Amino acid sequence: DTGVSQDPRHKITKRGQNVTFRCDPISEHNRLYWYRQTLGQGPEFLTYFQNEAQLEKSRLLSDRFSAERPKGSFSTLEIQRTEQGDSAMYLCASSLAGFNQPQHFGDGTRLSIL
Amino acid sequence: DQQVKQNSPSLSVQEGRISILNCDYTNSMFDYFLWYKKYPAEGPTFLISISSIKDKNEDGRFTVFLNKSAKHLSLHIVPSQPGDSAVYFCAALSQGGSEKLVFGKGTKLTVNP
Repeated sequence: DTGVSQDPRHKITKRGQNVTFRCDPISEHNRLYWYRQTLGQGPEFLTYFQNEAQLEKSRLLSDRFSAERPKGSFSTLEIQRTEQGDSAMYLCASSLAGFNQPQHFGDGTRLSIL
Repeated sequence: DQQVKQNSPSLSVQEGRISILNCDYTNSMFDYFLWYKKYPAEGPTFLISISSIKDKNEDGRFTVFLNKSAKHLSLHIVPSQPGDSAVYFCAALSQGGSEKLVFGKGTKLTVNP
């Protein structure tokens, strides 16, 4: 399977704990994106990388959120001091750079805060 | 301020008939448009896209139409099959600016056998 891979698929944690998610993009894709989706809504953009550089961050990405892509391959998204409102599906996507390149999504990590 | 709108939360059609899903946008800087299909517990799957220099793009049973003057696009599925039952998201992008996709809220399509 050469698609976008996300781990874990589900994460249940208590409020106040830190969580980290991993995304492995399609191997030849140099762009990687994080989105968040809540019930009844479309995915909302969080941040994106081109290679290892983080080029854009949404205002949705508060100080408690940090994303890295240290070697330009896989990426991690960390949420510190989780809150109830962080419960959502966290989606990763990747694409080639350039015009008219669709983003391809993984199956997401569903985060539930108790 | 919702820049991409899918005004029909749901649509039900008979197998073999045409499904038409609609999407409107407000940002005239959008120049690349995509449709994704999403099954429960899975991520969105890319279906078809269209650049703003075109007004139609076709891939098998799926055709996307773009009307730039009306800021409207539609996805036609012909013929519809029960396996097409899913939530369909319209998304838009302003290339050369922000690389973020802006999504609508989705339309749930049900194709009845």
